[in-house]
Amino acid sequence: RKEVEQDPGPFNVPEGATVAFNCTYSNSASQSFFWYRQDCRKEPKLLMSVYSSGNEDGRFTAQLNRASQYISLLIRDSKLSDSATYLCVVNRGGSEKLVFGKGTKLTVNP
Amino acid sequence: DTAVSQTPKYLVTQMGNDKSIKCEQNLGHDTMYWYKQDSKKFLKIMFSYNNKELIINETVPNRFSPKSPDKAHLNLHINSLELGDSAVYFCASSQGWGGPYEQYFGPGTRLTVT
Repeated sequence: RKEVEQDPGPFNVPEGATVAFNCTYSNSASQSFFWYRQDCRKEPKLLMSVYSSGNEDGRFTAQLNRASQYISLLIRDSKLSDSATYLCVVNRGGSEKLVFGKGTKLTVNP
Repeated sequence: DTAVSQTPKYLVTQMGNDKSIKCEQNLGHDTMYWYKQDSKKFLKIMFSYNNKELIINETVPNRFSPKSPDKAHLNLHINSLELGDSAVYFCASSQGWGGPYEQYFGPGTRLTVT
């Protein structure tokens, strides 16, 4: 089992749609969780950290389920500018190394 | 001002050559990293330095040698380049080590080995 696995995608949605990405991680000792965003041929940038209680930032909501070792990202009211690859990132349990998922590509269409 | 900068942005070279990539951050961060993103888009950590000390050294061929002259700089030297070294190399930095710190990435160096 891979350390971090994400929906393979790609996702193609119309503007205004709600889209959800899922991610699972294999190491129960992992403590830090993030969603990063990477635009085409650009560097990854932090979208949001993921906290145990769940957190929301505008149209973006992240959830963490430690029992199932599952992380999700919900994007409401999708904008054209949301088109990017979304990377699920988890620290390798017992260390501070970050492990990046392969990413899920989202295309929002007009 | 660019927070994390890398040079060069593009690097095309032949097999067997030696090349270096430079990275600088002006964020005052203590920790810096090198990542490799291959053609399958997997982003994998290669090295990390904290306060100029090597703290992560993943299973990377010893042809790759990082060097941190000071906290703001982390360079990557690659000897005897191979076709499989073609990838995008990202430098990153974070405020510290041992916590859920955001990592700030440079724009990447696209290395092509022919």
